Amino acid sequence: DAGVTQSPTHLIKTRGQQVTLRCSPISGHKSVSWYQQVLGQGPQFIFQYYEKEERGRGNFPDRFSARQFPNYSSELNVNALLLGDSALYLCASSLLNRGTGELFFGEGSRLTVL
Amino acid sequence: GDSVTQMEGPVTLSEEAFLTINCTYTATGYPSLFWYVQYPGEGLQLLLKATKADDKGSNKGFEATYRKETTSFHLEKGSVQVSDSAVYFCALSAFSGGGADGLTFGKGTHLIIQP
Repeated sequence: DAGVTQSPTHLIKTRGQQVTLRCSPISGHKSVSWYQQVLGQGPQFIFQYYEKEERGRGNFPDRFSARQFPNYSSELNVNALLLGDSALYLCASSLLNRGTGELFFGEGSRLTVL
Repeated sequence: GDSVTQMEGPVTLSEEAFLTINCTYTATGYPSLFWYVQYPGEGLQLLLKATKADDKGSNKGFEATYRKETTSFHLEKGSVQVSDSAVYFCALSAFSGGGADGLTFGKGTHLIIQP
């Protein structure tokens, strides 16, 4: 069975540009979460979507947005990129809408902002 | 806010040594606690979890007990192998009832096992 897939795996952008990252969850999983992992730090929660609705949001500015599609895949958008947005962006899927469920992570999209 | 503190790495041990990675947390309510592991070149994966006080999570020889009185969830293994070399993350989920909450992770502990 396919795990969580993310694209692109690596990308380079310049300050002020916009980026879209994509995620396909494990088949049957209806919840998708996004995390930002800066080098040397643990992942930080950005968003969770369940059944196409936003169910949770971390402490990130409005430049970050996301959506979930009818097939449960998801996109994360970041506008007006800053150097500090350089990070590994992780997508995770799960069966449940609750935090007691197990998260299955993809390998991430590494974003470099120059 | 919620937070997780785990011991800084890297932690270097010889094969068959005893492992402890300390993790303490701050949270309101009654969080669920997790250990995730990231092997080289792979994505994060759940190692074990505990959802209430005094629960013991275990997997692959690793164990951790949810200690509410000390707000701790230390990871232990009696005899480590070279294949255990990875980055270990302690995390909590403080589900607040009104909707899903994300996981709060610690900074991670890089474990290196030498043959």
